[in-house]
Amino acid sequence: EDQVTQSPEALRLQEGESSSLNCSYTVSGLRGLFWYRQDPGKGPEFLFTLYSAGEEKEKERLKATLTKKESFLHITAPKPEDSATYLCAVQVGYNKLIFGAGTRLAVHP
Amino acid sequence: DARVTQTPRHKVTEMGQEVTMRCQPILGHNTVFWYRQTMMQGLELLAYFRNRAPLDDSGMPKDRFSAEMPDATLATLKIQPSEPRDSAVYFCASGLSSGVSYNEQFFGPGTRLTVL
Repeated sequence: EDQVTQSPEALRLQEGESSSLNCSYTVSGLRGLFWYRQDPGKGPEFLFTLYSAGEEKEKERLKATLTKKESFLHITAPKPEDSATYLCAVQVGYNKLIFGAGTRLAVHP
Repeated sequence: DARVTQTPRHKVTEMGQEVTMRCQPILGHNTVFWYRQTMMQGLELLAYFRNRAPLDDSGMPKDRFSAEMPDATLATLKIQPSEPRDSAVYFCASGLSSGVSYNEQFFGPGTRLTVL
């Protein structure tokens, strides 16, 4: 069965304290791995797509990496505005995304 | 600024009533998705369309849920009759797919449904 597991469920950081979020997956035929950010009361906002092991993408303080079994979202020197829930999803088939439960990140000044 | 729009944003109804949620995908996108998000289950895919044709609705309770795309600018999700367990946030997303390759999905703001 296709499965996506994110850890930790919640993470509290001090401003400037770098850390990583994990997304591990077991799927038959990965076509892509997606990271989204979701703010309270809003829809998920696209961050990155990764297609093959070894691939890396960066955007401001965020960097996503991919291996054959997991992906990491590294947050460097986070700011309070980075507080959100970060969702990982894997593409199976042509269009279907399976989402993980998310990691709730809180960055305190 | 192209974005997915959804109406209504909030809906409170009583058990047994019909609920219709509407979505306007981003112009030019050929795939439309309906998701449901709850604290317990997270984000679940209910159904999706490509070029207005339903491709997969296996995530949807067939006896009470139905999804349609009357035209390229409108997707609807209907629940009849509604039940308290249907209370959730329903998201619509759209994207551009050429079949083999796949691009990101853009989500709307969601419809928060409460069934009393």
